[in-house]
Amino acid sequence: GQQVMQIPQYQHVQEGEDFTTYCNSSTTLSNIQWYKQRPGGHPVFLIQLVKSGEVKKQKRLTFQFGEAKKNSSLHITATQTTDVGTYFCAGAQGGSEKLVFGKGTKLTVNP
Amino acid sequence: DVKVTQSSRYLVKRTGEKVFLECVQDMDHENMFWYRQDPGLGLRLIYFSYDVKMKEKGDIPEGYSVSREKKERFSLILESASTNQTSMYLCASSFVRVPLHFGNGTRLTVT
Repeated sequence: GQQVMQIPQYQHVQEGEDFTTYCNSSTTLSNIQWYKQRPGGHPVFLIQLVKSGEVKKQKRLTFQFGEAKKNSSLHITATQTTDVGTYFCAGAQGGSEKLVFGKGTKLTVNP
Repeated sequence: DVKVTQSSRYLVKRTGEKVFLECVQDMDHENMFWYRQDPGLGLRLIYFSYDVKMKEKGDIPEGYSVSREKKERFSLILESASTNQTSMYLCASSFVRVPLHFGNGTRLTVT
């Protein structure tokens, strides 16, 4: 079936370091969504990207959608302990409205 | 604030039982979704609905059915529970065709 690959699977950083997670699709995505799930919690919607080359910022978080609309990234500047959780991307492939989720990147932050 | 309420946080059922998972949203959203989340597999779409009495199969509908008799309520039914349906089940609702608001989840164990 369709897949959205997300790397890395795990990332451990020291507080204050930057963090990036990447999402890749073999086919063009019509849009991509990013979610954050805290330990023991449910996914929380962060953002949607739709346009080729789009860049959006939310405070220390920067989201990018690739020019070919096949990849995306989430970058966190100067991580804090509150950033701990699993970050998921989810994209709609091949004209389908159904989202395919990546397996997530689990971020831990050492204070 | 949008509220998506799942009827049970934890549920233990026996193999072969018929299981009902209920989800209610309070924002008059047309779109509702059922996902299951398993370690290392991310979120996988079971069924979704874009309107009352409407339902569409997701990526893993086998062994499941759904009911949407009222706009605010989307029920997931396990016709005959099996151990491989032990999982975290997440309901979501949205005013657009991507899940924006998730419930707290139901952790189902089938013994």
